[in-house]
Amino acid sequence: DAGVIQSPRHEVTEMGQEVTLRCKPISGHDYLFWYRQTMMRGLELLIYFNNNVPIDDSGMPEDRFSAKMPNASFSTLKIQPSEPRDSAVYFCASSPGVTYGYTFGSGTRLTVV
Amino acid sequence: GIQVEQSPPDLILQEGANSTLRCNFSDSVNNLQWFHQNPWGQLINLFYIPSGTKQNGRLSATTVATERYSLLYISSSQTTDSGVYFCAVMNYGGSQGNLIFGKGTKLSVKP
Repeated sequence: DAGVIQSPRHEVTEMGQEVTLRCKPISGHDYLFWYRQTMMRGLELLIYFNNNVPIDDSGMPEDRFSAKMPNASFSTLKIQPSEPRDSAVYFCASSPGVTYGYTFGSGTRLTVV
Repeated sequence: GIQVEQSPPDLILQEGANSTLRCNFSDSVNNLQWFHQNPWGQLINLFYIPSGTKQNGRLSATTVATERYSLLYISSSQTTDSGVYFCAVMNYGGSQGNLIFGKGTKLSVKP
């Protein structure tokens, strides 16, 4: 298996623009997680899905953030409009269940200028 | 919510040395994982270990759930072991799916 695949690896955008991050989980993993890593807050969960259904989005910072999982092999995290404080590394992870190990993708480093 | 404390925050070793990293948590857990974030930023899952002991090569981990701590042992360290080691837990009575990360231990292995 190729692991969890994220794209793009790096994204530089101007404040106010829409940003879409993409994730392909490991086939057969029923859970998909979006995490954000910053120096100030460390790694924090934004949202997770079970069988394509959002279960807990309490970590999504505000309405500018949205996430979808239209099918078992694809998820997106969208920021509209983007702000400089959104600059961070965004990780996607997948797992067979919540009491199993999580496999992380390589992350997307987002810079909003 | 559950608190996760890792120690030490920083560790510098000479190649070949052994080390022990500690993770304390404040409540019962049903998921505990150790991760290595390498200098390129990749997060690699080392162990899923909510209880008991596991070994994988030069690395081993032990979780004593009743005493709310976990230890990661690195033996015969190599420069490629450098990076940040994270402990992450899921509170048994909390939001399932929310793996809470500690602040990490930054390890530097010198040749």
